[in-house]
Amino acid sequence: EAQVTQNPRYLITVTGKKLTVTCSQNMNHEYMSWYRQDPGLGLRQIYYSMNVEVTDKGDVPEGYKVSRKEKRNFPLILESPSPNQTSLYFCASSPYGGRGAVYSNQPQHFGDGTRLSIL
Amino acid sequence: DQQVKQNSPSLSVQEGRISILNCDYTNSMFDYFLWYKKYPAEGPTFLISISSIKDKNEDGRFTVFLNKSAKHLSLHIVPSQPGDSAVYFCAAKERNNDMRFGAGTRLTVKP
Repeated sequence: EAQVTQNPRYLITVTGKKLTVTCSQNMNHEYMSWYRQDPGLGLRQIYYSMNVEVTDKGDVPEGYKVSRKEKRNFPLILESPSPNQTSLYFCASSPYGGRGAVYSNQPQHFGDGTRLSIL
Repeated sequence: DQQVKQNSPSLSVQEGRISILNCDYTNSMFDYFLWYKKYPAEGPTFLISISSIKDKNEDGRFTVFLNKSAKHLSLHIVPSQPGDSAVYFCAAKERNNDMRFGAGTRLTVKP
């Protein structure tokens, strides 16, 4: 089954304790991205990656890091989480897409979300 | 600055009636528009899209209309079913650029 898998689904942690949210897709997609969803703001992009070893900032990258060492994985890293990073996070992937792609109009496939609470 | 706006946070309709969800955008460079549907505890799933060269796209009960001069997009669901109850996100993108999402509209279809 084609899917985007995020782990963990839920996490409550404390300020300053480094955490990683994993994202894996099994569709051989080049493009992957991370979003956060906040009430009244919709989905805002944090970081995206057009392919292995290629990552770039989205609209709200502050306080986050990502890496893309393999095509299927795109982990989101919070080095020193703070309460304003409490949110619902979604990973997404699509074939092609993003800047410079030939076929960029491809819908993204989303994971089921990770709800992070930073106390 | 939100380039994609869904001004109605919620909408309630009766089963069998038409649901109309609206979306406005400010960036005239957007050339591709999508609607996503989201159930609780799940990620958004793609529903329907439209290119800026068209003004209408239909897929079963779902039709998306695009009015470029008004920078307005709408999703019509006819007839509405209780299973359509979800949050609907409007999204838009420029050529070779990344997607911008609206804040979402929660649709409730009452039996």
